[in-house]
Amino acid sequence: DAKTTQPPSMDCAEGRAANLPCNHSTISGNEYVYWYRQIHSQGPQYIIHGLKNNETNEMASLIITEDRKSSTLILPHATLRDTAVYYCIVRTRDNYGQNFVFGPGTRLSVLP
Amino acid sequence: GAVVSQHPSRVICKSGTSVKIECRSLDFQATTMFWYRQFPKQSLMLMATSNEGSKATYEQGVEKDKFLINHASLTLSTLTVTSAHPEDSSFYICSARDFRAQGAEAFFGQGTRLTVV
Repeated sequence: DAKTTQPPSMDCAEGRAANLPCNHSTISGNEYVYWYRQIHSQGPQYIIHGLKNNETNEMASLIITEDRKSSTLILPHATLRDTAVYYCIVRTRDNYGQNFVFGPGTRLSVLP
Repeated sequence: GAVVSQHPSRVICKSGTSVKIECRSLDFQATTMFWYRQFPKQSLMLMATSNEGSKATYEQGVEKDKFLINHASLTLSTLTVTSAHPEDSSFYICSARDFRAQGAEAFFGQGTRLTVV
């Protein structure tokens, strides 16, 4: 699986957009970009994933650069409940028996 | 989305006793589930891969006789921490991938906070 690099921490004002970057310069053609978050003392929560097109769901938007070497997770209107550690993970869809490998992630603090 | 349920959410036990943690996939079948451990201020670390109907695969440094895994059905995997010690106190999390989903994303249980006293 390709390695990802994320900033260790970020702050965001409540109500503003939170833009969380992720570098994955060694991503291969069949690898997806997945985003998860972990709120304190809970299991990770799936947010969104994409292959090469930008994606949007009720939680967030995922912007993937054309060369696929980096991506940005956007929380359009951050709330205090979005304070969490956000993980960017790159891996193939297949390979049924393989787990998701978690790096240190980005600790997002949403400030009132 | 798919749901993975983990029970109990927190447990306190005495040193030397055993604790069983259950992980269920509620609306999909999971022939493979994963068990993670997370210490304070650290990321999730894979402990073992649980395979339905066969032996679990353990990561290096994880004692298979201490962390017993049973995956007897397509929707249930259990992790038993045997002869627990205070250093086993941690946050244990299970997950399963839903291959019905387009991206085959993984879903995680709520986690189990184990405290050994």
